[in-house]
Amino acid sequence: KQEVTQIPAALSVPEGENLVLNCSFTDSAIYNLQWFRQDPGKGLTSLLLIQSSQREQTSGRLNASLDKSSGRSTLYIAASQPGDSATYLCAVYGGAQKLVFGQGTRLTINP
Amino acid sequence: NAGVTQTPKFQVLKTGQSMTLQCAQDMNHEYMSWYRQDPGMGLRLIHYSVGAGITDQGEVPNGYNVSRSTTEDFPLRLLSAAPSQTSVYFCASRAGTGGSYEQYFGPGTRLTVT
Repeated sequence: KQEVTQIPAALSVPEGENLVLNCSFTDSAIYNLQWFRQDPGKGLTSLLLIQSSQREQTSGRLNASLDKSSGRSTLYIAASQPGDSATYLCAVYGGAQKLVFGQGTRLTINP
Repeated sequence: NAGVTQTPKFQVLKTGQSMTLQCAQDMNHEYMSWYRQDPGMGLRLIHYSVGAGITDQGEVPNGYNVSRSTTEDFPLRLLSAAPSQTSVYFCASRAGTGGSYEQYFGPGTRLTVT
């Protein structure tokens, strides 16, 4: 059974820092991995999708990497801003029409 | 495009009442699904559909019913609400075979059952 773990559960950093969020999964047989952002009381916004054949994807200040063989993904946020404060969720799609989610990392950027 | 829309945003039910959570998407996506989000449990799949007229169960289907008569709509019915169904419900959709499998989520319905 696929399990997804995100470390740390919470992270607080000063504005301007570069930071890395981690995601690990137990079954490497995945089609893709998706990073989401969730603001308090809101829905999930897709940030980046990495296909299983890809190593990384970039969007603006965000860069996500995928190492399928080791079951790991990282989300790198450059030059963090207070507006980046949110919960970040990683999810893997291994088929069976189901995304398996991690518990999320709650990120706070302090001005 | 509105993307994935859900109504209502908030709902309070009494135990035993029934209701339908609405979900619609305007992206012509084949696949639609319902998740619930609970503290400490993350998001879990309730039911999903791979096209109009085709539905199947996810991880936590008990107490919920779905149908899919059109590509656009995928309502979730609570048959007899229980306090254990207090949760935030998200509808999601994605393109079919040949697409990127990127999933798009709606804004959620926050349900409280007393």
